[in-house]
Amino acid sequence: GNSVTQMEGPVTLSEEAFLTINCTYTATGYPSLFWYVQYPGEGLQLLLKATKADDKGSNKGFEATYRKETTSFHLEKGSVQVSDSAVYFCALIQNTDKLIFGTGTRLQVFP
Amino acid sequence: EPEVTQTPSHQVTQMGQEVILRCVPISNHLYFYWYRQILGQKVEFLVSFYNNEISEKSEIFDDQFSVERPDGSNFTLKIRSTKLEDSAMYFCASSGSRAGEKLFFGSGTQLSVL
Repeated sequence: GNSVTQMEGPVTLSEEAFLTINCTYTATGYPSLFWYVQYPGEGLQLLLKATKADDKGSNKGFEATYRKETTSFHLEKGSVQVSDSAVYFCALIQNTDKLIFGTGTRLQVFP
Repeated sequence: EPEVTQTPSHQVTQMGQEVILRCVPISNHLYFYWYRQILGQKVEFLVSFYNNEISEKSEIFDDQFSVERPDGSNFTLKIRSTKLEDSAMYFCASSGSRAGEKLFFGSGTQLSVL
């Protein structure tokens, strides 16, 4: 069945460092791909999405490109801030109502 | 921005007891969901609900689980006889259209079964 694998955390960075959180997926066909973020004490929020191969989702300085050839949707940000500290979830959806999530990656950014 | 509200934030119960987790979705949304995350594991889909009936459910959502929209504003998840393995963070979500557009999640209810 469909599944999502993302890198284990925590990822610990200094402010202004470059961020990559890896995400790969397994699916037949062409799922839509998402990154959700959960800030402390809050619910999951949609950060960005891509619905077809080579699409790039972007929001708040974060980007992810839908790579069908490598079945990946890695999250990147050029310069992280302390306020980016959160848990990031990669997810997919395909022909159904349900999102399939990865385990989440905790990002900790220190000043 | 509108938000999904879940209560309580923490619930502790004894094994075998019934629990009801409550959610207030965003008022004009039509699609409602429950997900859960056992500590250290993936966020898992439990059930989706539309037009006052379940539209999809996972294998986790067995006869011990039920959902209800009792009054047009609340959306509840009931576990009839809790087990230790039901301990998890339970997330409610709602959407104005089918999932894939934009789901709004609540901040979750941490259920601990002792």
